[in-house]
Amino acid sequence: QSALTQPRSVSGSPGQSVTISCTGTSSDVGGYNYVSWYQQHPGKAPKLMIYDVSKRPSGVPDRFSGSKSGNTASLTISGLQAEDEADYYCCSYAGSYTLVVFGGGTKLTVL
Amino acid sequence: EVQLVESGGGLVQPGRSLRLSCTASGFTFGDYAMSWVRQAPGKGLEWVGFIRSKAYGGTTEYAASVKGRFTISRDDSKSIAYLQMNSLKTEDTAVYYCTRGAYDFWSGAYYFDYWGQGTLVTVSS
Repeated sequence: QSALTQPRSVSGSPGQSVTISCTGTSSDVGGYNYVSWYQQHPGKAPKLMIYDVSKRPSGVPDRFSGSKSGNTASLTISGLQAEDEADYYCCSYAGSYTLVVFGGGTKLTVL
Repeated sequence: EVQLVESGGGLVQPGRSLRLSCTASGFTFGDYAMSWVRQAPGKGLEWVGFIRSKAYGGTTEYAASVKGRFTISRDDSKSIAYLQMNSLKTEDTAVYYCTRGAYDFWSGAYYFDYWGQGTLVTVSS
């Protein structure tokens, strides 16, 4: 069982928006503004999409946005495109003892 | 262009050892913490451990599941990070990714911004 809870799957049609949630505790997501999101296409390495809750690395489309409320972080993808179909993982700093926790991953299907 | 290339994976029997290497290029290797993340077949991502840059002592941190069995080291002169895996168990079977960065106050970063393509480690008799 992963430390952070994500829905197993979400889906949306091209052009629509979808939101993926990531629920933790006050010891990880809720305690620090250090949540990041990774996209992974089948057979490929993960790619950083969002860091520090809502910052986008250079080259990531602004269709991807992140936010946090309490112990739950969210990744929103607007204007869905076929190439967004992938697995998405959240990750959070969890303090100086545990350090890093991942979510179990969410499979995004573009209908 | 930042590149991370893992090598050293393969089939190994339970209880044996294996060393993975991560050869980096395209950035000043010694300035960055380096991490290892693994993914069991069909499963999610699991952080394994990281090594800080020499500026922060080159110290290491590990996940509880590998602490005492795995050791991360680095050779800044060759831009290589290593993952020494001892007393391997069947549950260590996974693709092992080398990543740049860490989730660490001392390193000042809380993300993995570049990933290698991964190397598969299979622990089986």
